Amino acid sequence: NAGVMQNPRHLVRRRGQEARLRCSPMKGHSHVYWYRQLPEEGLKFMVYLQKENIIDESGMPKERFSAEFPKEGPSILRIQQVVRGDSAAYFCASSRGAQSYGYTFGSGTRLTVV
Amino acid sequence: GESVGLHLPTLSVQEGDNSIINCAYSNSASDYFIWYKQESGKGPQFIIDIRSNMDKRQGQRVTVLLNKTVKHLSLQIAATQPGDSAVYFCAENAGNMLTFGGGTRLMVKP
Repeated sequence: NAGVMQNPRHLVRRRGQEARLRCSPMKGHSHVYWYRQLPEEGLKFMVYLQKENIIDESGMPKERFSAEFPKEGPSILRIQQVVRGDSAAYFCASSRGAQSYGYTFGSGTRLTVV
Repeated sequence: GESVGLHLPTLSVQEGDNSIINCAYSNSASDYFIWYKQESGKGPQFIIDIRSNMDKRQGQRVTVLLNKTVKHLSLQIAATQPGDSAVYFCAENAGNMLTFGGGTRLMVKP
């Protein structure tokens, strides 16, 4: 009974490259949430998705960031033309239902932009 | 802006003592609150939750208190152990998302 799986655990990108972060929700969970965490800070909401739909992207930067949760496969958070300020830990959570009750978080992807 | 407010203070306690971690929130419409524990290099781990129609909830060695009048949440850990050393976050339900505070680092001295 695997939990929320994120990969890669660590990702290093040069400025200007693209970063793709993957999240497989828990079995039976169809709601996925992405959060970003800067060092010594709390998690900040980015986007909430269901299968093939973006429900709430109010926390996503307007440019360079996108997310998808296709019918088949993991959810993908994509960051184009990364800058040093994108360096952070990115966490994915999943839930069975539509509210944020019963969240389960993955172990995160630590993105370092050099 | 932030509605849950902590900025990573540090609480240092002796092993075996009780710990109390506090959190203030600002959204009076929030109806659900959660405490998470985060160890270095790991994702947040659920500890205990409470709905706004309650003022106290107990788990194993942990108790959460909710004071809606002053919009304050606290986490009490009884008989703190070295394995409790981590950063603790409170979070409130704000519709589609959780809003997190900045965390408190708990250090347990043997």
